[in-house]
Amino acid sequence: SAVISQKPSRDICQRGTSLTIQCQVDSQVTMMFWYRQQPGQSLTLIATANQGSEATYESGFVIDKFPISRPNLTFSTLTVSNMSPEDSSIYLCSVSSGNYEQYFGPGTRLTVT
Amino acid sequence: AQSVAQPEDQVNVAEGNPLTVKCTYSVSGNPYLFWYVQYPNRGLQFLLKYITGDNLVKGSYGFEAEFNKSQTSFHLKKPSALVSDSALYFCAVRDKDAGNMLTFGGGTRLMVKP
Repeated sequence: SAVISQKPSRDICQRGTSLTIQCQVDSQVTMMFWYRQQPGQSLTLIATANQGSEATYESGFVIDKFPISRPNLTFSTLTVSNMSPEDSSIYLCSVSSGNYEQYFGPGTRLTVT
Repeated sequence: AQSVAQPEDQVNVAEGNPLTVKCTYSVSGNPYLFWYVQYPNRGLQFLLKYITGDNLVKGSYGFEAEFNKSQTSFHLKKPSALVSDSALYFCAVRDKDAGNMLTFGGGTRLMVKP
């Protein structure tokens, strides 16, 4: 299984600012995923990030709000831009393995005041 | 479109008793099915999966799940619950013929009481 780390683990931010979340994997992976888990709710896929190409965003998520970088096969960043209290969530990075499983990072707990 | 339903927001069970957490799914093609567990302030941990083969799959920590194609269900079970099993459980589905997108159910909170 892959070991995934995320930075920061949590943050409290003011509305209107931006936060960049980092995701580091201990092995090279083709596909990385970013999810959002709003308080008391399930996980929603924000986008899929492949190295060397633009991220693919799910319905309801746009690049201007959630720009993603994928500079190499072990690293990705998600930026939450122009934040509002509605962006308060846990943001999780995930990677897929060759045996159909997905592994998740510990998450970044974001609170917007 | 694919979807997952977990009809119970919370399941309460006494320690030592068997537990079941329910999951039903909908996909247009053949499903890959997964269970994940989330402990407080932690990420999701993979428990088990059904890809093909035997309908009864065994996973981590003594959990198992049974794939039932006719009922489109994939209920999570454990013969004897532990207090340490108390956590949030998510069922997820991926359409075999529709890429890598995982769709999660709403989650079920399992409370095991001593």
